[in-house]
Amino acid sequence: GIQVEQSPPDLILQEGANSTLRCNFSDSVNNLQWFHQNPWGQLINLFYIPSGTKQNGRLSATTVATERYSLLYISSSQTTDSGVYFCAVDSSGGSYIPTFGRGTSLIVHP
Amino acid sequence: KAGVTQTPRYLIKTRGQQVTLSCSPISGHRSVSWYQQTPGQGLQFLFEYFSETQRNKGNFPGRFSGRQFSNSRSEMNVSTLELGDSALYLCASSPRQGQLSSYNEQFFGPGTRLTVL
Repeated sequence: GIQVEQSPPDLILQEGANSTLRCNFSDSVNNLQWFHQNPWGQLINLFYIPSGTKQNGRLSATTVATERYSLLYISSSQTTDSGVYFCAVDSSGGSYIPTFGRGTSLIVHP
Repeated sequence: KAGVTQTPRYLIKTRGQQVTLSCSPISGHRSVSWYQQTPGQGLQFLFEYFSETQRNKGNFPGRFSGRQFSNSRSEMNVSTLELGDSALYLCASSPRQGQLSSYNEQFFGPGTRLTVL
């Protein structure tokens, strides 16, 4: 099946810093999403982005499907950005079963 | 529009018991998927239901089963619970329309945290 690798696995920032999270995948994809999992376990949709670039406030994402990677940018980090960020993809091979990466754990200190 | 809801939110069971978890999707969504999240294995796909039919299944033993009702609400059942079944169980709904539709954006519920003693 498709392999999904996220980097870095852990990230510690001071409030106000910027960061870039990366998601590499091993096959062409139909769907790609970024999620933020809060401390209570809720997965919050950030972006649905199988290709192209999107922005939502301090967050933006870019997927370069031909090179099989996606980037999530967080600018001016806030303590509420803390949590785990997941990338999920499903292969264009036809199963439409989402595969999640292991996530990037982000801690933002005040 | 109301989001995905899951009940119960927390559950404690003992080994050998069975458990049923419930998920109500976003109104109009006919696809419901279930996932298991553990610290060791991460987020793993269990199964997907669409219009009361199981459409996809992950690599889990037959103790894990599910069903979907005509109103798209779904339940999953785990029989003969084992300690390793302790996990966060997440349900997601999608507006995906059919087997040939590639659009599959997932919207998650808050999860059910199951502890097996």
